[in-house]
Amino acid sequence: SQQGEEDPQALSIQEGENATMNCSYKTSINNLQWYRQNSGRGLVHLILIRSNEREKHSGRLRVTLDTSKKSSSLLITASRAADTASYFCATVRTYSGAGSYQLTFGKGTKLSVIP
Amino acid sequence: DAGVIQSPRHEVTEMGQEVTLRCKPISGHDYLFWYRQTMMRGLELLIYFNNNVPIDDSGMPEDRFSAKMPNASFSTLKIQPSEPRDSAVYFCASTGTGNTGELFFGEGSRLTVL
Repeated sequence: SQQGEEDPQALSIQEGENATMNCSYKTSINNLQWYRQNSGRGLVHLILIRSNEREKHSGRLRVTLDTSKKSSSLLITASRAADTASYFCATVRTYSGAGSYQLTFGKGTKLSVIP
Repeated sequence: DAGVIQSPRHEVTEMGQEVTLRCKPISGHDYLFWYRQTMMRGLELLIYFNNNVPIDDSGMPEDRFSAKMPNASFSTLKIQPSEPRDSAVYFCASTGTGNTGELFFGEGSRLTVL
């Protein structure tokens, strides 16, 4: 079953504007990750935030995590046409026991940045 | 590093035929994942391996699907017999125990079953 749920499903903005995508999840996690997928390509890891972190930055990306609300947001500042892609959140849980690991993706937000 | 390599990139086959998808993970990674992506269901985890051993195959749809990892540098996902509803993009991804869990994806194999 998919744990992460992104909101909105689709987002269209003008170049230079900021884009905010949200992700909600249901159970406890070890970390939460955001990925980008360009059309016809594989997913690319963008940023990871651990469960004991509240905010993280990487270039034009800012991720927040609120474990009490079980939600995360991804902010892309000063968007560019090249940011057009689908963005997925993924929750990670690790378990005791050899190799036990669960990474579950949401259905993604499709971002269109209009030049 | 070459990244995760999948083949074929595209496969068109007829219902009932056997399909074999291949994956070479990044060298040194000890986890390998197979995902399926469709518009309706999004990304679904089919199976994952740790040190070549299948850990969780609960996502494999049915007995028509099987996956193997005979060594650390190669894995296959086989569908026999294939059905039109198996049409999807199949992704392989890998990561290492020393990493914090971020997956490295291949470019996917787009399967169309007629």
